[in-house]
Amino acid sequence: GENVEQHPSTLSVQEGDSAVIKCTYSDSASNYFPWYKQELGKRPQLIIDIRSNVGEKKDQRIAVTLNKTAKHFSLHITETQPEDSAVYFCAANPNTGRRALTFGSGTRLQVQP
Amino acid sequence: EADIYQTPRYLVIGTGKKITLECSQTMGHDKMYWYQQDPGMELHLIHYSYGVNSTEKGDLSSESTVSRIRTEHFPLTLESARPSHTSQYLCASSEWQDGYTFGSGTRLTVV
Repeated sequence: GENVEQHPSTLSVQEGDSAVIKCTYSDSASNYFPWYKQELGKRPQLIIDIRSNVGEKKDQRIAVTLNKTAKHFSLHITETQPEDSAVYFCAANPNTGRRALTFGSGTRLQVQP
Repeated sequence: EADIYQTPRYLVIGTGKKITLECSQTMGHDKMYWYQQDPGMELHLIHYSYGVNSTEKGDLSSESTVSRIRTEHFPLTLESARPSHTSQYLCASSEWQDGYTFGSGTRLTVV
C-alpha cells in the first residue's frame, strides 16, 4: 500500500519569511496529492491540490510542486502571516487498490510575529 | 448549506458500552470515510465506502463496524468501548479522485 512521509514535523518561521514542507510517497500509481490545513480544534481544510499530470500549481501565497520521477511533492508558503500557523498534512491517493487518501504525519507550522 | 455533519461533537462514555457516531453529508458524494486522529496528529483510516452497500476496511477497522444504507449517511459503531478508543473521529466525503470535505469531528472519551 501507499506510504507517505512528511518533513519537518515542526517548523518555526518569522512573519514574512517563506515556509516549505516536503512529502515523499511510495506508490508510483498515485495520481492525486492534496494538502490540508488544520487549525487548533478545527477540521482539516483542503488548501491546494495537484494531479500527476501537472508539475506545479499556485494559488496566491501557496504553491505545490510535484516531482513524479523522485516521488516527492512540496508545499511552499510565501510571505507567511501569523494566521498561517496550523498543522499541515500532505496526502496521496493511489489510482489502484485501496483508493482512499493516505496522510503524512503532519507539520506544525508556527509563524512568529 | 451543503456540508458534512457529525454528531455528537463530544461524548463521554463508560467502558464496555456500545456507541454509534453519526455522519451525514448533503453534497451527494459517493465516497465517505472515517479517520481517527489524536489532536494535531496523524490521521488513520478506519473504514471507507464507495457508495450504497459498499464498505471497506482501513488500518484500524478491527474494533468497529460501519454501514452505508443511504448515500448521505455513514455511521460508525463501536461494539464495546475501551479507554484506548479515546480519540477524535473525523468523517469525510468526496467525489471520485477529489479532495475530502471533513466534518467537525466527534471527540470521544471512554472512562
